[in-house]
Amino acid sequence: EAQVTQNPRYLITVTGKKLTVTCSQNMNHEYMSWYRQDPGLGLRQIYYSMNVEVTDKGDVPEGYKVSRKEKRNFPLILESPSPNQTSLYFCASSLWGGNGYTFGSGTRLTVV
Amino acid sequence: TQLLEQSPQFLSIQEGENLTVYCNSSSVFSSLQWYRQEPGEGPVLLVTVVTGGEVKKLKRLTFQFGDARKDSSLHITAAQPGDTGLYLCAGDTGTASKLTFGTGTRLQVTL
Repeated sequence: EAQVTQNPRYLITVTGKKLTVTCSQNMNHEYMSWYRQDPGLGLRQIYYSMNVEVTDKGDVPEGYKVSRKEKRNFPLILESPSPNQTSLYFCASSLWGGNGYTFGSGTRLTVV
Repeated sequence: TQLLEQSPQFLSIQEGENLTVYCNSSSVFSSLQWYRQEPGEGPVLLVTVVTGGEVKKLKRLTFQFGDARKDSSLHITAAQPGDTGLYLCAGDTGTASKLTFGTGTRLQVTL
């Protein structure tokens, strides 16, 4: 089944403890992206990647890092999480972007 | 950052009614995508429109892209409870890696 898989689905962590949210797609898509979704603010792009080793900042990149060492994987790294990074995170992938994205099921992160 | 405004924000209707959701911007988009999101899940792509004036139909859903490619609408005929969800439009300005999402329309269809 063609899909984007994110792990974990739920995560509660403490301020300052480094964490990684994994994202993997099995569709051989070039484009991958991370979004966060917050009430009243909608979906906002954090980082995106157009190919292996090519990444760029979205609208809200502060406090996040990404890497794209392989085509299928696009992990999101929070080096020192803070409470304002409590949010619902989505990874998405697309063949070329303009034809639409396939989203993962989301990761609900709480930073206390 | 381009802004995509959706209206209405909330819509509660009864089964069988028709409705239209609007997505407006002052920016021109290369393509406009519509998604539906259910609670606790990721958005699911419904359709992509790319040509000004284009109309696409998906069963009871009709999508239209404005002639100037700045706005779009989603019309649902004879709504059903299964149509309940958050409807999102998203615009691509040509750098297809960067989508701007609209503010969302939350639809509830009751029996």
